[in-house]
This record gives sequence, C-alpha cells and structure tokens, in this order.
Amino acid sequence: NAGVTQTPKFQVLKTGQSMTLQCAQDMNHEYMSWYRQDPGMGLRLIHYSVGAGITDQGEVPNGYNVSRSTTEDFPLRLLSAAPSQTSVYFCASSYTGGVREQFFGPGTRLTVL
Amino acid sequence: QQQVKQSPQSLIVQKGGISIINCAYENTAFDYFPWYQQFPGKGPALLIAIRPDVSEKKEGRFTISFNKSAKQFSLHIMDSQPGDSATYFCAASINSSNTGKLIFGQGTTLQVKP
Repeated sequence: NAGVTQTPKFQVLKTGQSMTLQCAQDMNHEYMSWYRQDPGMGLRLIHYSVGAGITDQGEVPNGYNVSRSTTEDFPLRLLSAAPSQTSVYFCASSYTGGVREQFFGPGTRLTVL
Repeated sequence: QQQVKQSPQSLIVQKGGISIINCAYENTAFDYFPWYQQFPGKGPALLIAIRPDVSEKKEGRFTISFNKSAKQFSLHIMDSQPGDSATYFCAASINSSNTGKLIFGQGTTLQVKP
C-alpha cells in the first residue's frame, strides 16, 4: 500500500494563478481531508469529505475548492492564489467508523509570491 | 475560534527528563482525543489516543492523562530521548458524528537535549 500520496511536493505560484494539489489514498477510506499548517497555528481544517460526492467546509475554507468524484482522490483547488495561502498543505484519510486514526500524506509546500 | 488549546508552544527538555504537554477543550461533545507526532518534513502520525471513559492510557514511555471535569488532557513523555524531538499535536473529535473530523491544537515543538 502506498498510503496517502500528495503531489507536488513543492510549488511556487504568482498571485492570481490557479493550481490543483493532488491527493490520493489506496486504503479505501471514506473520510478525506485537507489541512494547512502554519507556524503557531497548528493544523487547520480546510475541507473534508465523508465519501464520494460529499464534501463540506472546515475552519478555513475561503479561497479553496474541493470535489470528491472517487473514493481514492480528493484534489484541492486554489482558484486565484494569494500570498496568505503560502503554507504547507496536508491531505489525510481515515475510516469514518470505529478506529479513527488519520493517515497523513507527506505534504505540499506552497509559496505564493 | 480555537476549540482545542495547546501549551506550551515550545519545550526544551534534557535527555532522561519528563516532557509534559497540555491541552484544553471547550466542546463537551468531544469523545476521542488523539496525539500526533510530526518529524520535520513529514506528515503527522498517530502516537497515542484516549477516550473519555478512562483517566489514563500508557503506551511505553508515552502516557495520556485525561481530566473530564476540567476538560483537559495532557501527554507525558517519560525518559525523554533526542529521538523524541518533534512537533506534537493534540486533537479532538466527536466519534458519534461518524465523520472522522478532527480539530487540532496549535502544536508543541519539543527539543530533547543530549
């Protein structure tokens, strides 16, 4: 099992550009989520999904879009990047019932100039 | 609003000492409290977790103490080792919500000096 994979590992954007951060998992987990990690702020939930076709907003959803067309994939879209979106982004997945261990990907470090 | 508050932000401990990280929560519906460990350049990984029906859980050198009435829980690392140097996050979720959604604390950067 590859677990949770994220691409790219690093990305530099200019203000106003758009891009998609990719996330995939091969554990058949229902729950997938996106977090951003900033110094002193911990991990803040951006969007999450409890299954294909179902998404919901987390704590800091503004400026980000998500969709979940398959169980495996959960891409995060930045429609018009802003310097405030400079951060490290983590994707995570877990089952929704029983044991709730979330498995995290290796992260994407995004810089918006 | 920050539903889970974690302290201290950073911690320096000598090898062999005890590291203590504290968390407080507001939502009494939370019923699952995990701790995650993150090494530089890696994603967080589950370290240990507790449910509110017990006051303490121990796994090796790592212990969670839970105080339901005070709405606080803490991580104790006994005999701290340089290899424990990492960032630690507490978290909380509502297990009965059946979503898997976790709310994280702000994180504590632990440095264990040899």
